[in-house]
Amino acid sequence: DAGVIQSPRHEVTEMGQEVTLRCKPISGHNSLFWYRQTMMRGLELLIYFNNNVPIDDSGMPEDRFSAKMPNASFSTLKIQPSEPRDSAVYFCASSSEGFSSNQPQHFGDGTRLSIL
Amino acid sequence: GESVGLHLPTLSVQEGDNSIINCAYSNSASDYFIWYKQESGKGPQFIIDIRSNMDKRQGQRVTVLLNKTVKHLSLQIAATQPGDSAVYFCAESNGGGFKTIFGAGTRLFVKA
Repeated sequence: DAGVIQSPRHEVTEMGQEVTLRCKPISGHNSLFWYRQTMMRGLELLIYFNNNVPIDDSGMPEDRFSAKMPNASFSTLKIQPSEPRDSAVYFCASSSEGFSSNQPQHFGDGTRLSIL
Repeated sequence: GESVGLHLPTLSVQEGDNSIINCAYSNSASDYFIWYKQESGKGPQFIIDIRSNMDKRQGQRVTVLLNKTVKHLSLQIAATQPGDSAVYFCAESNGGGFKTIFGAGTRLFVKA
């Protein structure tokens, strides 16, 4: 079975440029999560969607960050303009959990982002 | 000056020994708990979970123990192997919501 697929795996770009990270969740999962992982802060939840609707974006650090989920099989996380402090590994995860039933999240292998 | 990053607790064990990784969780209302393993260059991988109506659950070579009284979770790995070397995260979740809170992680190092 295909797991969560993220692209690109690595991204190096100059500050000020727009960065778009992509995620394909596991088929049939109705919840999608974006995380950021750094040595300083560990794993931070940025935003999560349920049935393609953003439920909580309180973890999004600034207005420079935006996320969309136009359909059940695709999501993007965009940073515009990017800054060196955005350098991190960004993970996407999906799960089949609902309001009455918790299920584990399944993670992609991440996008390692470096902003020069 | 140089920034101070997360200093993960490290557990070093001999190959073949049993490992116990501990975790204190924060929310007494959490009712679902998960352990993840993260290897270098990969995303966290689900290992085992437990719901609050249980205090023990066993998987293949792994056992999770839950003590709700003191809000403590542990992961036991039997006959630890070099391939078990990774960072292990505990996570907690509250039924009725989607937000899962991850701990800082523990680095397990297995000596051959």
